[in-house]
Amino acid sequence: AQSVAQPEDQVNVAEGNPLTVKCTYSVSGNPYLFWYVQYPNRGLQFLLKYITGDNLVKGSYGFEAEFNKSQTSFHLKKPSALVSDSALYFCAVRLNTGGFKTIFGAGTRLFVKA
Amino acid sequence: GAVVSQHPSWVICKSGTSVKIECRSLDFQATTMFWYRQFPKQSLMLMATSNEGSKATYEQGVEKDKFLINHASLTLSTLTVTSAHPEDSSFYICSARDLPLFNTEAFFGQGTRLTVV
Repeated sequence: AQSVAQPEDQVNVAEGNPLTVKCTYSVSGNPYLFWYVQYPNRGLQFLLKYITGDNLVKGSYGFEAEFNKSQTSFHLKKPSALVSDSALYFCAVRLNTGGFKTIFGAGTRLFVKA
Repeated sequence: GAVVSQHPSWVICKSGTSVKIECRSLDFQATTMFWYRQFPKQSLMLMATSNEGSKATYEQGVEKDKFLINHASLTLSTLTVTSAHPEDSSFYICSARDLPLFNTEAFFGQGTRLTVV
């Protein structure tokens, strides 16, 4: 079965410290990978995507993610966390078949403490 | 980036009534829109794929007669929750892509909080 895993329900980090939110996937073919952020009672905002090319992808608000094909991972990173980064983060994979649906991970709640 | 507008942002309705939620792509044409449901502290569950000019494709376990989807134009899809019950209370989110640009990200509406009393 095709799936996306975010192994951590919650990540806590101090402001100014680097943060990592983990994501691994299990899909066939070469999927497109995405990260989205959600603030309370809001829709999802796009952060970044990997389609092809350089494994290190830079996105909005200073976030970046590294695609690792051998480990089937796409971890989200930021060198220096801000309190305003506290939110719910979703990793997503777009399938290249069957209607091109997008599968979301369960989400990871990030808390950045001042 | 592209904008997807969802309306209303929140709605409270009585059991047995129907509620319509609109999803509009404001500055691009979306042949396909997606409807999701999100339970508290959980991920998004794809309910259906809305195709302009044709019937929606529902995910397994989603009642098509309960959740009516109409995609009458390239910029508007609607989700109608019919004969709503308290268990239908949830956060509903739509998304759309600027097709046929397949490698573009999806853009999401702001979501609709439905409360059935």
